[in-house]
Amino acid sequence: AAGVIQSPRHLIKEKRETATLKCYPIPRHDTVYWYQQGPGQDPQFLISFYEKMQSDKGSIPDRFSARQFPNYSSELNVNALLLGDSALYLCASSLVSDYMNTEAFFGQGTRLTVV
Amino acid sequence: AQKITQTQPGMFVQEKEAVTLDCTYDTSDPSYGLFWYKQPSSGEMIFLIYQGSYDQQNATEGRYSLNFQKARKSANLVISASQLGDSAMYFCAMRDEGAGGTSYGKLTFGQGTILTVHP
Repeated sequence: AAGVIQSPRHLIKEKRETATLKCYPIPRHDTVYWYQQGPGQDPQFLISFYEKMQSDKGSIPDRFSARQFPNYSSELNVNALLLGDSALYLCASSLVSDYMNTEAFFGQGTRLTVV
Repeated sequence: AQKITQTQPGMFVQEKEAVTLDCTYDTSDPSYGLFWYKQPSSGEMIFLIYQGSYDQQNATEGRYSLNFQKARKSANLVISASQLGDSAMYFCAMRDEGAGGTSYGKLTFGQGTILTVHP
């Protein structure tokens, strides 16, 4: 079965550069979520999209932005990178419109390293 | 606001034995879902099991079962017949499932428990 796909798996950027992370949700899923997981930490919610519209947003700096495309894939951009942005970025997808849905699957993550 | 607490930073178990990972939660939402995920060192978050707040029976998935005690607000994961490959970080998570809420589907995680299975 198709799973959530994230690319790239690893990304190394310098301070002040921009990082672009991509997520391809499970087919038929209508919602995408982005999480940031620092070393030894639990994942923290960043932002979500339902049917291509932003549905929820965590306490994140304006340097973080994201969007969902017509094919439901999503892109997370982090501008003016700081060393503290180094983390594992996880994307998850779900079928929110189905209230009986119990799925919440994650991709393998993008490990961003800022040097 | 939702809160998940995992009080065991690390747990050890002998291969083939059972182990219980603790999870307590706090929420004012009447409808919610509880999840357990396994995260190996590779980083992928692997879905293990789900329990809905209105489910009457405890969820089971193969060697995984969820001991759901709603009055105590606990959702402990039981892994039976532990295997060496079970060594990983385990996260308990909750999501609001109230109809119409914009936060529907967003997961709140606990701090995690590192499980080590000894041969």
